[in-house]
Amino acid sequence: QLQLQESGPGLVKASETLSLTCTVSGDSISSSSYYWGWIRQPPGKGLEWIGSIYYSGGTYYNPSLKSRVTISVDTSKNQFSLKLTSVTVADTAVYHCARHPGGTQSFDYWGQGTLVTVSS
Amino acid sequence: SYELTQPPSVSVSPGQTASITCSGDKLGDKYACWYQQRPGQSPVLVIYQDNKRPSGIPERFSGSNSGNTATLTISGTQPMDEADYYCQAWDSSTANYVFGAGTMVTVL
Repeated sequence: QLQLQESGPGLVKASETLSLTCTVSGDSISSSSYYWGWIRQPPGKGLEWIGSIYYSGGTYYNPSLKSRVTISVDTSKNQFSLKLTSVTVADTAVYHCARHPGGTQSFDYWGQGTLVTVSS
Repeated sequence: SYELTQPPSVSVSPGQTASITCSGDKLGDKYACWYQQRPGQSPVLVIYQDNKRPSGIPERFSGSNSGNTATLTISGTQPMDEADYYCQAWDSSTANYVFGAGTMVTVL
């Protein structure tokens, strides 16, 4: 059974860097069939894709966040990570990690999500 | 930027059919998928590639996509289907996964 678990600080100060890690269990992150992504959801609002990574390290990001986002992968730990720089209160959200099979253009397994609050 | 438009809410009686639309420019030329999100839970994929159901998703969930509109249909709606539903597509012109704003389905 595939599981994804987000971890990281729940509180970040404005202008600092938000850092989260997603630990994958039940499957290898090095599987050639999948990409791994981050999606966020501000409280009471909709979903926003942040970016995705392939096990080889290839990345692609939401154009609106691209200048502030870095996603990396550590295949030895079966983890991938998100860094979002220069955060503001508008970055307060539940951050989910998810798997998306190549070619389906959808996210089939999601982590439970972690709330990150940006304080001013 | 590419946008997907959904109605804010849909109401349906138990046992009846609920239809949720998702509109976007030439959406039918893209793959559309749908997620169900119950309060306090993570989204669950219920339809991908327009009309495919992942393993474990009940047959009462179906999808279609043509022209500018994708539709999620819930046949024989059950109280457990009360949730927010989001459509999503990949916009290749901007290299961006785009979500609709979500539709709250109420089973009255």
